[in-house]
Amino acid sequence: DAGITQSPRYKITETGRQVTLMCHQTWSHSYMFWYRQDLGHGLRLIYYSAAADITDKGEVPDGYVVSRSKTENFPLTLESATRSQTSVYFCASSESIFLVGTGGMLNNQPQHFGDGTRLSIL
Amino acid sequence: ILNVEQSPQSLHVQEGDSTNFTCSFPSSNFYALHWYRWETAKSPEALFVMTLNGDEKKKGRISATLNTKEGYSYLYIKGSQPEDSATYLCAYIPTFGRGTSLIVHP
Repeated sequence: DAGITQSPRYKITETGRQVTLMCHQTWSHSYMFWYRQDLGHGLRLIYYSAAADITDKGEVPDGYVVSRSKTENFPLTLESATRSQTSVYFCASSESIFLVGTGGMLNNQPQHFGDGTRLSIL
Repeated sequence: ILNVEQSPQSLHVQEGDSTNFTCSFPSSNFYALHWYRWETAKSPEALFVMTLNGDEKKKGRISATLNTKEGYSYLYIKGSQPEDSATYLCAYIPTFGRGTSLIVHP
C-alpha cells in the first residue's frame, strides 16, 4: 500500500548509543519532516528536507543528524543518545511547498504522518 | 518560532452537543493554516488546509473558518459523536499548536 512508514515502532536504548529511526514514503513527495512529541510542547520540528540531498534545521535540531540520499527515505540519527531525547518521533511528508528567503516555511499542502516511533533512552 | 495558540486545552461534551474551538496564529504574512485530527495511539490526520481570508471548509459534521486579518480560525463540530473524541491540532507550518483534546461522552 502507498503511504508513509516508520521503523522501528518502539526502541529502547542506552545513553551514549547511536540510534537511527527510519522513514519511508511511497508517494514521491518532495518534502519530508521529522517531529518530536513531548508533553507540554506538542509537535516540534527537528529537521526537514525539500528534496534528495537538501535538508535544513527545524526548531530543535541539536543532537540529531538527517540525510536524504533518496526521495523516499529520510532517516533520523541520534549520534549519542541522551535521556532528554526520550520522546515519540513522527515523520511526515507533503507535496511541494514554498520556502521564503527569511527561513520561514509557507506550506499549503497537508502533511501525511507516519505512525510514530516511541524511543526510550535509559 | 511562531506563536500558535489553541483553546480550550480540553473539552468534555455530551453526545449530540455541538462544539467549537479556537486557533490563533500570526496574522502578518499569512499563507496557510492547517487543522489535523489526532486520535489516541494513531498519527495526526489532515482535516483542512485553509488559505483565504473568510474561507469556510467542511468535512461531514466538521467545519472550519478562517480570519487572516485578526489571526484566528475556528473548528466546529456539529452533533458530536463519541468517535469524534480526539485531539485537534492547528498548525501554522512548521509550528503546531498544543491541541484541543475533545472527549465526547455517550
